[in-house]
Amino acid sequence: SAVISQKPSRDICQRGTSLTIQCQVDSQVTMMFWYRQQPGQSLTLIATANQGSEATYESGFVIDKFPISRPNLTFSTLTVSNMSPEDSSIYLCSGASTANEQYFGPGTRLTVT
Amino acid sequence: TQLLEQSPQFLSIQEGENLTVYCNSSSVFSSLQWYRQEPGEGPVLLVTVVTGGEVKKLKRLTFQFGDARKDSSLHITAAQPGDTGLYLCAGPSGGSYIPTFGRGTSLIVHP
Repeated sequence: SAVISQKPSRDICQRGTSLTIQCQVDSQVTMMFWYRQQPGQSLTLIATANQGSEATYESGFVIDKFPISRPNLTFSTLTVSNMSPEDSSIYLCSGASTANEQYFGPGTRLTVT
Repeated sequence: TQLLEQSPQFLSIQEGENLTVYCNSSSVFSSLQWYRQEPGEGPVLLVTVVTGGEVKKLKRLTFQFGDARKDSSLHITAAQPGDTGLYLCAGPSGGSYIPTFGRGTSLIVHP
């Protein structure tokens, strides 16, 4: 298993600004993912964070809006750029070393005013 | 993209009742996972089922993987308020690591 921490746990931001969320894993994982979730609803995959190369984005998500870094096997960041109220959500990162299990961070609750 | 349909979407029951949550797909999955998420936290992996027909038990929770590996169920016996949460099924899509999640079942167990 892996223990994943995220910072910040929550933030309130003004529209037009950017926020960078950090994700730290306590052990090396093959894959890291970033998700968005509305309270009480399922997870929407934003992108797969690839170590040392550009992230792989899902349909509807672009690098200019959600730049992602993954400099090593235990750390990744997601930036939410030029925020609008529609970006208010919970952002989750996860790590996995097999296709059979993922371990999630506690999430970052973002409110854009 | 392989889709996972979960039902019911919402469930509100009294303590002591039994319930079943379903996860269905028209596609074959190499494995399916079940997660529980409590408010303010990330999803926590409960179990992974891999073999068609497999049954796994976790205390009062029983997980089953369909023979054709297209569906799974989660049965909770004598539900308790601590079982309250969002239950998600998920599986690797297209044979890759890329996960597909069901819509989730929001369970509330009243004392």
